[in-house]
Amino acid sequence: AQRVTQPEKLLSVFKGAPVELKCNYSYSGSPELFWYVQYSRQRLQLLLRHISRESIKGFTADLNKGETSFHLKKPFAQEEDSAMYYCALKLLSGGYNKLIFGAGTRLAVHP
Amino acid sequence: NAGVTQTPKFQVLKTGQSMTLQCAQDMNHEYMSWYRQDPGMGLRLIHYSVGAGITDQGEVPNGYNVSRSTTEDFPLRLLSAAPSQTSVYFCASSPRVFRDGYTFGSGTRLTVV
Repeated sequence: AQRVTQPEKLLSVFKGAPVELKCNYSYSGSPELFWYVQYSRQRLQLLLRHISRESIKGFTADLNKGETSFHLKKPFAQEEDSAMYYCALKLLSGGYNKLIFGAGTRLAVHP
Repeated sequence: NAGVTQTPKFQVLKTGQSMTLQCAQDMNHEYMSWYRQDPGMGLRLIHYSVGAGITDQGEVPNGYNVSRSTTEDFPLRLLSAAPSQTSVYFCASSPRVFRDGYTFGSGTRLTVV
């Protein structure tokens, strides 16, 4: 079954520390993965797409097919990075691009 | 260009009441969907639509109805509210060419008492 797992509910770090938000997926096809971010009481926003291999707000994520992972990393956390982060997997189902989400990880960056 | 607009932002319902959550997008997106967001469970797909007149069920459709009479609007109806439907509801849309993922609305926080 297709599934996205984010094993950590909460990740708490100090400002300037490195951050790694874990995401593992289960999918038999060629995966297309995304990271979304939700700042306090705001709408979800797209942060990264694995296809584009871009860096947004200092965050990067590399798809590792061998480990079925798509971990989100940032070398130096900032307080404004505190938010809820969701990893998502795109499925093509009946002609529809469906996204399934992990449970999310709350990142708390302390001063 | 307002993106995806959801109304209301907050709602309290009594058990058994019905209501409609509104969602409208002005980006001419073909695809629209409704998710509910619950702590520890992430976002779960309720219903989705691939175009006007076409809808289908997601993971958790029970207790909800949808229709899509126009490209712009995709309302979600709660037929008889239950406390288990207390959640934050997000509407999302995307074009058929799924390059940038979904655009989300700001959410509706629903409490059923």
